[in-house]
Amino acid sequence: ELKVEQNPLFLSMQEGKNYTIYCNYSTTSDRLYWYRQDPGKSLESLFVLLSNGAVKQEGRLMASLDTKARLSTLHITAAVHDLSATYFCAVPTSGTYKYIFGTGTRLKVLA
Amino acid sequence: DVKVTQSSRYLVKRTGEKVFLECVQDMDHENMFWYRQDPGLGLRLIYFSYDVKMKEKGDIPEGYSVSREKKERFSLILESASTNQTSMYLCASRDRGIPLHFGNGTRLTVT
Repeated sequence: ELKVEQNPLFLSMQEGKNYTIYCNYSTTSDRLYWYRQDPGKSLESLFVLLSNGAVKQEGRLMASLDTKARLSTLHITAAVHDLSATYFCAVPTSGTYKYIFGTGTRLKVLA
Repeated sequence: DVKVTQSSRYLVKRTGEKVFLECVQDMDHENMFWYRQDPGLGLRLIYFSYDVKMKEKGDIPEGYSVSREKKERFSLILESASTNQTSMYLCASRDRGIPLHFGNGTRLTVT
């Protein structure tokens, strides 16, 4: 059974600091997705990582995928308050239409 | 831009009522999904549909059914609502090679 684990679950950081969120998954997959969710709202697609070594960047966020290590990272550079949200990674299961979501990382950026 | 529209943002229903949650997407996507999201439990897949009139159970289908008579519309039905079905319900759609696109969510309270 595919499991997807994120850490940390909660992250409180000061504005201007850097940090990394980790997403580990238990079976092979050649793609991974990152989503953002603001409080009380739905999930918004952030990054689509489609192959080993894929790196995507948007603003202060950069995501990467290492399929051999079954690991994806979401790196935050010089955090700002607007990045406060919950971040989820999601992995499609092989041979089905199902996606398994990580537990989510709740990020709070303090001014 | 993909639009996934859920008919209600907030719903309050009584125990035992039959509840319909509607979801419409405008991008001709093949696959549609219903998730529920609860604090501490993350996103859990209830049902999904890979084509019109086709459906498959997700991880927590008990107490729910679905209907997909037209490609753009995927309905979630709570046959007899119970208090443990109080939750945020998220509809999503996708097509091959693109990530899930989520609707705004329906926060259902069963009293």
